[in-house]
Amino acid sequence: AQSVTQPDIHITVSEGASLELRCNYSYGATPYLFWYVQSPGQGLQLLLKYFSGDTLVQGIKGFEAEFKRSQSSFNLRKPSVHWSDAAEYFCAVGAPRSGGSYIPTFGRGTSLIVHP
Amino acid sequence: DAGVTQSPTHLIKTRGQQVTLRCSPKSGHDTVSWYQQALGQGPQFIFQYYEEEERQRGNFPDRFSGHQFPNYSSELNVNALLLGDSALYLCASSLAAPNTRDRDHEQYFGPGTRLTVT
Repeated sequence: AQSVTQPDIHITVSEGASLELRCNYSYGATPYLFWYVQSPGQGLQLLLKYFSGDTLVQGIKGFEAEFKRSQSSFNLRKPSVHWSDAAEYFCAVGAPRSGGSYIPTFGRGTSLIVHP
Repeated sequence: DAGVTQSPTHLIKTRGQQVTLRCSPKSGHDTVSWYQQALGQGPQFIFQYYEEEERQRGNFPDRFSGHQFPNYSSELNVNALLLGDSALYLCASSLAAPNTRDRDHEQYFGPGTRLTVT
């Protein structure tokens, strides 16, 4: 079974500073990998995903993530954080199934706090 | 194009009662998945419905059951509610046979139903 570890429960950054959120996964083969964002009282929005190919993935809102097989990691990065980025961020791993479908397993989340 | 909608937004129930939550998938989607998100945790997969049948199930007791209708909408039923069932219940829809030009099998999430059991 797959699992995800997000080691940081809270991250605090100043507006304009760079950001990196950590994610480590456990899975026997190459999984599908995702980052979602959840604002208070909202559902989850997909920021980016990795299925195969280029290990540096570009997402929405200026986010990117890099898949590193040797480290079983999929860290999320943003060069300059905006106050509106304050939210809960979830990393997820999905075991590829026939036809390409998947069921994501989520980490516990990292709460991003942005100081003005 | 309406996204995934869920009703009700909030719900308060008493221990031992039963509850039904509803989900309408994104237009064009045929698969609905349900997740439970406890406070401070990530979502946990409950089950997935496709073609009106439960296709896959997570580690949840039989008190949790569901249904999918011919129009692809879905219900989540929870019987004999426990205090520990208090959570945000998320519905996500996807397309079982995706067009390769689209986001393959991407799950689109609704805003959730906040269930409080007292």
